[in-house]
Amino acid sequence: DAGVIQSPRHEVTEMGQEVTLRCKPISGHDYLFWYRQTMMRGLELLIYFNNNVPIDDSGMPEDRFSAKMPNASFSTLKIQPSEPRDSAVYFCASSSTGGYGYTFGSGTRLTVV
Amino acid sequence: AQSVSQHNHHVILSEAASLELGCNYSYGGTVNLFWYVQYPGQHLQLLLKYFSGDPLVKGIKGFEAEFIKSKFSFNLRKPSVQWSDTAEYFCAVKDYGQNFVFGPGTRLSVLP
Repeated sequence: DAGVIQSPRHEVTEMGQEVTLRCKPISGHDYLFWYRQTMMRGLELLIYFNNNVPIDDSGMPEDRFSAKMPNASFSTLKIQPSEPRDSAVYFCASSSTGGYGYTFGSGTRLTVV
Repeated sequence: AQSVSQHNHHVILSEAASLELGCNYSYGGTVNLFWYVQYPGQHLQLLLKYFSGDPLVKGIKGFEAEFIKSKFSFNLRKPSVQWSDTAEYFCAVKDYGQNFVFGPGTRLSVLP
């Protein structure tokens, strides 16, 4: 298995632009998580899905952030419009019911200038 | 809600020194406990986990952790660190559903 695949690895964008981050979970995993990591705030859970349905989005910072999971093998996290304070590393992780921990993707380093 | 604290923000050791990183979680009941490691510029990787049974858990790369229920603790240890252990270490707790709560992380710097 190729693991959790995220794209792009790096994204540099201008303030006000739309940014879309992508994630492909491990096949067979029924949970998918989006995290944001910054020096100031550490790892923050943004949202997670179970069987493609959003379960808890209380960590999504504001309406500029949205996440979708149209099928079991793909999820997106969109920021529109982006702001410099959104600069962070965004990780996607997946797990399975009864499984033994998350598997993390390699992350997307987002820089908003 | 569950919370996780890690005792040290940054630990600096010389090679061959022993390591202990503290982790405490806020309340009991049935919990699953994890330690993750994040090497510079990389993603989080699972070091070890505790679900039940022997409270002393062995992980990869010579790491181990001890679950002490009465102290709500799950400290990470390694008898002799190497320069390659330089990384950030995260303790995490899962108490229901599939949501993990991560600690703030401890940065370990090992001097050659």
